[in-house]
Amino acid sequence: AQSVSQHNHHVILSEAASLELGCNYSYGGTVNLFWYVQYPGQHLQLLLKYFSGDPLVKGIKGFEAEFIKSKFSFNLRKPSVQWSDTAEYFCAVNLISGGYNKLIFGAGTRLAVHP
Amino acid sequence: GAGVSQSPRYKVAKRGQDVALRCDPISGHVSLFWYQQALGQGPEFLTYFQNEAQLDKSGLPSDRFFAERPEGSVSTLKIQRTQQEDSAVYLCASSPSTEAFFGQGTRLTVV
Repeated sequence: AQSVSQHNHHVILSEAASLELGCNYSYGGTVNLFWYVQYPGQHLQLLLKYFSGDPLVKGIKGFEAEFIKSKFSFNLRKPSVQWSDTAEYFCAVNLISGGYNKLIFGAGTRLAVHP
Repeated sequence: GAGVSQSPRYKVAKRGQDVALRCDPISGHVSLFWYQQALGQGPEFLTYFQNEAQLDKSGLPSDRFFAERPEGSVSTLKIQRTQQEDSAVYLCASSPSTEAFFGQGTRLTVV
């Protein structure tokens, strides 16, 4: 079955530290890849997405992610985190099959950034 | 409105009660998804509509769960004879093509 794995469930960082959140998926077909963020009390928001082309994609708020096809990975990075980045981060894979989409999520990584 | 709207935001149901959760997608969005998010977990796919057609209901956990989108816009997720394990946040998302936009969710608590 198709699945999305996020390696870290909880990450605690100090402000200005660098961030990397791992994401691996298991699906051999055509995929679109996403990172969503959920700030406390808010709905899921799109952080960045990869459809095709340059495997290094840049999103909002200084986040970027790199698609490595051979490793089935789409890791999220930020060089210097801020307290306002405290949130839960979800990796998601859009399986394109039979003319429709099926968005599969990982379990999420809860990030806490301390001032 | 500009975004996906879900109602109610919170629902407390007694075990055995039927509930209906509503989703108003962004106007013109063809695709509509329902997800269930248990505490501490990622959203789990329940079902998918393309316009009024329910193309995938493989994620519905039991025959107590039923979803419809009769006119290709508003959708309702119905849960019959609720049980405690149904307690979760139910998320609706709509999409014009491949990017999904999520609502705030309905937090269902079964007591």
